[in-house]
Amino acid sequence: DIQMTQSPSSLSASVGDRVTITCRASQGINNFLAWFQQKPGQAPKSLIYAASSLQSGVPSTFSASGSGTDFTLTISSLQPEDFATYYCQQYNSYPFTFGPGTRVDVK
Amino acid sequence: EEQLVESGGGLVQPGGSLRLSCAGSAFTFRNYWLSWVRQAPGKGLEWVANIKEDGSVTHYLDSVKGRFIISRDNAKNSLHLQMNSLRVEDTAVYYCARRGGHDQWGQGTLVTVSS
Repeated sequence: DIQMTQSPSSLSASVGDRVTITCRASQGINNFLAWFQQKPGQAPKSLIYAASSLQSGVPSTFSASGSGTDFTLTISSLQPEDFATYYCQQYNSYPFTFGPGTRVDVK
Repeated sequence: EEQLVESGGGLVQPGGSLRLSCAGSAFTFRNYWLSWVRQAPGKGLEWVANIKEDGSVTHYLDSVKGRFIISRDNAKNSLHLQMNSLRVEDTAVYYCARRGGHDQWGQGTLVTVSS
């Protein structure tokens, strides 16, 4: 199975901050990587697919990059509604696997 | 608005069975791979199973193989997960999701396995 790791596991930030979350796969995943945002009590929301493609309707303050095994999600200017937990997921091979999540909370 | 809506969760004893359903609307259901993803209380996300557009191919997480069966009825825009021999560790919110990249999610249905 492909193991996904994320760093940091949590971070504290302020509105307007630039935030970067890293995701690493234990082996190459051919850019079959997605990013999700989840708020307490809600279903996950898709932000990014194919490593760097923004889902329709997702603000342009979100961007993502990476290839092979190392990927990043960047929020260029953190907004109040962006405080949440973020997960990466590989869908290159079975079983699909998620990272453990990165919690972004208020500083 | 494209939507997925799960149903069928509840409380079941260890060793029992439960059948979850997911109804899709406002998109061409038969054109997409569909998955079940679960989240245990206070934990992260875990992919459980998925099924090809026409139902001819399925994949499962090892820990549910032989106990869970994913199926779909494209005529009724519905996805199902038959869960047998349930264990305490299967307790979770179960979500249905679309495509390998999970671009659309339902709101989830809670399954509690407890005596």
